[in-house]
Amino acid sequence: NAGVMQNPRHLVRRRGQEARLRCSPMKGHSHVYWYRQLPEEGLKFMVYLQKENIIDESGMPKERFSAEFPKEGPSILRIQQVVRGDSAAYFCASSGIDWDRVRLTSSYEQYFGPGTRLTVT
Amino acid sequence: AQKVTQAQTEISVVEKEDVTLDCVYETRDTTYYLFWYKQPPSGELVFLIRRNSFDEQNEISGRYSWNFQKSTSSFNFTITASQVVDSAVYFCALSEHEDSNYQLIWGAGTKLIIKP
Repeated sequence: NAGVMQNPRHLVRRRGQEARLRCSPMKGHSHVYWYRQLPEEGLKFMVYLQKENIIDESGMPKERFSAEFPKEGPSILRIQQVVRGDSAAYFCASSGIDWDRVRLTSSYEQYFGPGTRLTVT
Repeated sequence: AQKVTQAQTEISVVEKEDVTLDCVYETRDTTYYLFWYKQPPSGELVFLIRRNSFDEQNEISGRYSWNFQKSTSSFNFTITASQVVDSAVYFCALSEHEDSNYQLIWGAGTKLIIKP
């Protein structure tokens, strides 16, 4: 059972470009969460998605940031017109069915991906 | 308001010493969940432990142990006989048992340096 996968692991963008970060949740998981980690800080919740639905985007900046989790394919965190302040590590987590114990996990039982490190030059 | 405080920004010890990382939390809920994660220099997050608020038993896993004390709202983490490979940033996190329990609230992290 592959874990949560994120790509790319490292992304460099110039100011004004768009950044697309991808997250493939663990098999059987239909809940995805995005977090941002600024340098030398803890993680901050951004958005919670289920398939084709945004459940809670209270942590997302109002402008330039968007997220989706389509019926097919990975979840995408999109940052338009990036600025230097967007430089951070972006982590994705997922929750859903625990295949080892064949049960539905609670949404706090999140499994994290390795993160994408975005650098804006 | 929910909050997690890791007062130790950085700790440096010599290999084989024991070290305790402090975590103090604030929550209004009677049911909540506490976590510790490790972030090695490679940057990924490694899950260490999850504890619910009804289970105050201390936990030991190899050289790692956790001391959960509701009376002081603390969930401290001790590494016994530390090793260089333990060098990492360690995060404590909290999740409340309410509609937004998916929002893990994170401490700022403690950077642990183990010197050979």
